[in-house]
Amino acid sequence: DSGVTQTPKHLITATGQRVTLRCSPRSGDLSVYWYQQSLDQGLQFLIQYYNGEERAKGNILERFSAQQFPDLHSELNLSSLELGDSALYFCASSQQRVPPVTGANVLTFGAGSRLTVL
Amino acid sequence: GQQLNQSPQSMFIQEGEDVSMNCTSSSIFNTWLWYKQDPGEGPVLLIALYKAGELTSNGRLTAQFGITRKDSFLNISASIPSDVGIYFCAGQSFLDMRFGAGTRLTVKP
Repeated sequence: DSGVTQTPKHLITATGQRVTLRCSPRSGDLSVYWYQQSLDQGLQFLIQYYNGEERAKGNILERFSAQQFPDLHSELNLSSLELGDSALYFCASSQQRVPPVTGANVLTFGAGSRLTVL
Repeated sequence: GQQLNQSPQSMFIQEGEDVSMNCTSSSIFNTWLWYKQDPGEGPVLLIALYKAGELTSNGRLTAQFGITRKDSFLNISASIPSDVGIYFCAGQSFLDMRFGAGTRLTVKP
């Protein structure tokens, strides 16, 4: 158990629908990251939050949105789903401080949420 | 932006063989990390490298931070079936982190 909790583990839905993926970071971690991993692909960075505020944005579609709540859990909302959105969605957390401290900003990943769009 | 090139894309080896994979970048990173993803799971950190030239081991795994700070290598010695998975490199500079596309390792008993 990495300490990062993602729910649901599996989700099957239809095109055009909307889903919400939830992530609870590891205790003490202030940063949350969302990644998308399509079949046999690498990790595509979507978005990062630090202590409730958006810190960095990657290749996140306009149909997708995220937020981090005061208790530091985060939600990734995926709307108007398309077949190509089927993927594993990973949440990761870290202690990254602002401004950054020296040394590695180690990400701890959750087990992922597998989304299947039919 | 900074891109990471990870190779090889996949490897099929016999149990007991040694494995080498690497990551190169067009830009400098301050830190290199290596993660392993088991099937159906999230990536797990294997090794973190903090200084150029650093060589670090974790059991049968050895990783090096390239002297130019633009590359890193991971070696696995005497592979076993549970080494199967996808290995990702990650390069970090302040506020920026990039992952390689991964090396998919298959180990035949």
